[in-house]
Amino acid sequence: GEDVEQSLFLSVREGDSSVINCTYTDSSSTYLYWYKQEPGAGLQLLTYIFSNMDMKQDQRLTVLLNKKDKHLSLRIADTQTGDSAIYFCAETNYGGSQGNLIFGKGTKLSVKP
Amino acid sequence: DADVTQTPRNRITKTGKRIMLECSQTKGHDRMYWYRQDPGLGLRLIYYSFDVKDINKGEISDGYSVSRQAQAKFSLSLESAIPNQTALYFCATSDLSDTQYFGPGTRLTVL
Repeated sequence: GEDVEQSLFLSVREGDSSVINCTYTDSSSTYLYWYKQEPGAGLQLLTYIFSNMDMKQDQRLTVLLNKKDKHLSLRIADTQTGDSAIYFCAETNYGGSQGNLIFGKGTKLSVKP
Repeated sequence: DADVTQTPRNRITKTGKRIMLECSQTKGHDRMYWYRQDPGLGLRLIYYSFDVKDINKGEISDGYSVSRQAQAKFSLSLESAIPNQTALYFCATSDLSDTQYFGPGTRLTVL
């Protein structure tokens, strides 16, 4: 079945760039998403990319999509302590027991001063 | 005001009790979802509803039931709570674009 894989932890120093990686299995996904979950809060939509794009940039965030390898990454430039959170990758899926989005297990980003 | 609200935000209950978690949205979306989040397991879908008359089981629906009272309201019930249902529960909504918007979560503890 469809699956989304992410590494569970990433630690960086403040001011460095963070790169969070994700692999997915459903080649028919229309959109791929990044969600951010801060401690004690719900998931917040961070950004998304349409499957016919290779890259999307939004201020400090850069999303890269390699459709051939089914690999998605989120780069955060000049990482700040406020970026410490869990980041979830998600792909679209239609119907079935997983609804319309399949989430990875999340990558916990820790930013050290 | 938040677009997706959940009540209660925290609940402690005992094994065997019936519990209802409520979700309301002002986004006008037809689609609503209930997930649970456990450490190391990410988000798992419990139930979802694509409109008021459409209810579908998710990956882990056993031990749960739902009711879609109106377009804006989707409630999750635990008929007889058990300790392994201790988790963080999230409601989400989406329109036809599939982008999901999440509520703040309900932390449920079953003793």
